[in-house]
Amino acid sequence: GAGVSQTPSNKVTEKGKYVELRCDPISGHTALYWYRQSLGQGPEFLIYFQGTGAADDSGLPNDRFFAVRPEGSVSTLKIQRTERGDSAVYLCASSHEAADTQYFGPGTRLTVL
Amino acid sequence: AQSVTQLGSHVSVSEGALVLLRCNYSSSVPPYLFWYVQYPNQGLQLLLKYTTGATLVKGINGFEAEFKKSETSFHLTKPSAHMSDAAEYFCAVSLQGGSEKLVFGKGTKLTVNP
Repeated sequence: GAGVSQTPSNKVTEKGKYVELRCDPISGHTALYWYRQSLGQGPEFLIYFQGTGAADDSGLPNDRFFAVRPEGSVSTLKIQRTERGDSAVYLCASSHEAADTQYFGPGTRLTVL
Repeated sequence: AQSVTQLGSHVSVSEGALVLLRCNYSSSVPPYLFWYVQYPNQGLQLLLKYTTGATLVKGINGFEAEFKKSETSFHLTKPSAHMSDAAEYFCAVSLQGGSEKLVFGKGTKLTVNP
């Protein structure tokens, strides 16, 4: 079956612009996670959704970052007033239920010029 | 708070040699432990995980790991390396019955020489 998909695969933007990154989880998975992977580092947790609600957003670095999952399926990570330090690969994962194995998408590589 | 330390950002082995990738964790409560592999330009793929029960865990592609509570370790091994094992490997921890988020180490890049 289809895995987790993320679009776009690459996004180049200018400092100060707004970007949206999309994640399509595996069908039927109720839990969805966003991570950020900077160069040479392991993935760092950003936010976790159980259904439509954000159950844990403790990893969001500041209020420029926001994520939604309005229908409990697709999720969008939104970054306002992008900064060069936001450049990273943004990973999405989903699991059947919370605490089950997380399946990762290929990521979106964001470059802020 | 949990943390993960992977000793050695780069490991190089010869084809057919033993692979040993080290992972130590810090957790105030019993952890769940994971190893993920990342091939170039691909997403993370689960190799194996420890939750409860048997401390020696077998995963895909001939890899295994042993949970040693006394050493707070979860090292990954494979008896004989194959060229296709070249990739980056990440150890991760989460809390049993607690937060579902994964805390990752910085990763170890494995090179397999012919």
